[in-house]
Amino acid sequence: SAVISQKPSRDICQRGTSLTIQCQVDSQVTMMFWYRQQPGQSLTLIATANQGSEATYESGFVIDKFPISRPNLTFSTLTVSNMSPEDSSIYLCSSDTVKKGTVIEQFFGPGTRLTVL
Amino acid sequence: LAKTTQPISMDSYEGQEVNITCSHNNIATNDYITWYQQFPSQGPRFIIQGYKTKVTNEVASLFIPADRKSSTLSLPRVSLSDTAVYYCLVAQGGADGLTFGKGTHLIIQP
Repeated sequence: SAVISQKPSRDICQRGTSLTIQCQVDSQVTMMFWYRQQPGQSLTLIATANQGSEATYESGFVIDKFPISRPNLTFSTLTVSNMSPEDSSIYLCSSDTVKKGTVIEQFFGPGTRLTVL
Repeated sequence: LAKTTQPISMDSYEGQEVNITCSHNNIATNDYITWYQQFPSQGPRFIIQGYKTKVTNEVASLFIPADRKSSTLSLPRVSLSDTAVYYCLVAQGGADGLTFGKGTHLIIQP
């Protein structure tokens, strides 16, 4: 299994500022993913972070707003840029599929709760 | 990607068996069916996965009919700590991000 940690666990930010969220995995993984979970809602995939190449963004998410870095196989960052109150959400990272015998699963970090005033 | 449909919420009592059914009419041949559990302020956690028939592990059972157009997560003898959101997903299990549906809010009462 993979253990994933995120920093910060929560933050309160002013509109117009930017916040960088860090995601650390305790083992090397090929793919890392970033999700957003708005209050009371399900998770929505933001982007896939590949090591050594540009992140791949889902429809509705753009690099200028959510720049992502993936400097190595255990670490990634997501920046929420020029924040507005609509960006208030929980941001989660996950590792790529891990096979345990016949089981295929992803592991998730605990999330970063962001509040934008 | 196959879309899933689950009940928005369910209530039950401690000690009961809870069955949550998920519909996935457009499931593809290569798709697996996976259930995740999410507690407040935590990331989703894998519960169980199956392809067809029945799968059982230490926490749950997963029943999948022959046509694979639905699946049922069965939680035996639930406790208060099983109160959570349960997500049914279908995916090929490759290097892709997951598509979460709305999930089922399960509330267990004493």
